[in-house]
Amino acid sequence: DVKVTQSSRYLVKRTGEKVFLECVQDMDHENMFWYRQDPGLGLRLIYFSYDVKMKEKGDIPEGYSVSREKKERFSLILESASTNQTSMYLCASSAELAKNIQYFGAGTRLSVL
Amino acid sequence: AQKVTQAQTEISVVEKEDVTLDCVYETRDTTYYLFWYKQPPSGELVFLIRRNSFDEQNEISGRYSWNFQKSTSSFNFTITASQVVDSAVYFCALSEEGNYGQNFVFGPGTRLSVLP
Repeated sequence: DVKVTQSSRYLVKRTGEKVFLECVQDMDHENMFWYRQDPGLGLRLIYFSYDVKMKEKGDIPEGYSVSREKKERFSLILESASTNQTSMYLCASSAELAKNIQYFGAGTRLSVL
Repeated sequence: AQKVTQAQTEISVVEKEDVTLDCVYETRDTTYYLFWYKQPPSGELVFLIRRNSFDEQNEISGRYSWNFQKSTSSFNFTITASQVVDSAVYFCALSEEGNYGQNFVFGPGTRLSVLP
């Protein structure tokens, strides 16, 4: 079974803090994704990566950056957290873009106070 | 631009009722993929089904069935004899073969509550 693991289920941070959300997949997938989920808006793509050290902006990259130093690990970074970044963050991985199934982690619920 | 609409924000049914979740999509690509995911209260999205644009056959899997109609750009999901465990948020998603930069587009989701 594909396993996508997000390091934290819940996080509480203060405005201005630097925040790291970690995601690890164990299926040797080329592609990894970060989404945020907000009520009524569904999932919105923040960034994705199609290879180590490669990244592409999604719909809402502002205020975020990412890092993919190893194939299995994809990190989302909030350089200076703000209250409007309070949300559920979901990581996913897939073997191939477009047609392949994306497998999701359990999510990290981030609260920025 | 690709778009997915799930007009039903919330649906409540009583156990054993049938329920249909609607999904309407927009795309200019001829090759695309449609997906349904389930998000139970635990939070993790669970894959249910994928359909490509060249396969309009309906599919049935146990109590679940999917009706794909290109003529109306719809990919609806029906649960027969619903159960309390079906309570979840359901997302429809679209992915275009030629759209490298914007991968999956998700609809806003439909929250289904099945009451005992």
